[in-house]
Amino acid sequence: DGGITQSPKYLFRKEGQNVTLSCEQNLNHDAMYWYRQDPGQGLRLIYYSQIVNDFQKGDIAEGYSVSREKKESFPLTVTSAQKNPTAFYLCASKIRGPSTDTQYFGPGTRLTVL
Amino acid sequence: RKEVEQDPGPFNVPEGATVAFNCTYSNSASQSFFWYRQDCRKEPKLLMSVYSSGNEDGRFTAQLNRASQYISLLIRDSKLSDSATYLCVVTANDYKLSFGAGTTVTVRA
Repeated sequence: DGGITQSPKYLFRKEGQNVTLSCEQNLNHDAMYWYRQDPGQGLRLIYYSQIVNDFQKGDIAEGYSVSREKKESFPLTVTSAQKNPTAFYLCASKIRGPSTDTQYFGPGTRLTVL
Repeated sequence: RKEVEQDPGPFNVPEGATVAFNCTYSNSASQSFFWYRQDCRKEPKLLMSVYSSGNEDGRFTAQLNRASQYISLLIRDSKLSDSATYLCVVTANDYKLSFGAGTTVTVRA
């Protein structure tokens, strides 16, 4: 089955630690995205990548880093510089092209900083 | 001003009722419009795209009003399974989608 997988589903981190969230897709999509969602708020774009070995900052990139070494994978690292990292993190992908194409989401990772 | 604004609700309706709600967007250059559905603690899933002429998918009808910069979603004959948060999504270019905070609908028996 084609789809997007994220792991882990739940993640607990101590303050001051970096942590990496995994996102893998087998949809052959070119573009991949990372969002965070806080209670009562819409999704906010952290980083996106339209092609392998290239990525751009979204609206709230501070304290995060990404890599795109393979088309299928777009891991997100939440660094200790991120002041309020507790949130629901969603990875998405889409075919690069007309904006009418929709994004497909993975099941998400809930990160809690203790 | 937020790029996309929605009435958070909740809209509490009985089964079989009709419920409708709007979403306003600030960027007049917006090109594409979508409604996503998000169940509690789950990822958003595409419900339907919104076309200029309006479109219907079963019990769901979406409308776009470019002059007033809003889109709407109407749900007829509500089912218990329609209980969810509905996210309005707007895009002005190829890569960036702007999400509303969502409208919560609760359908009661």
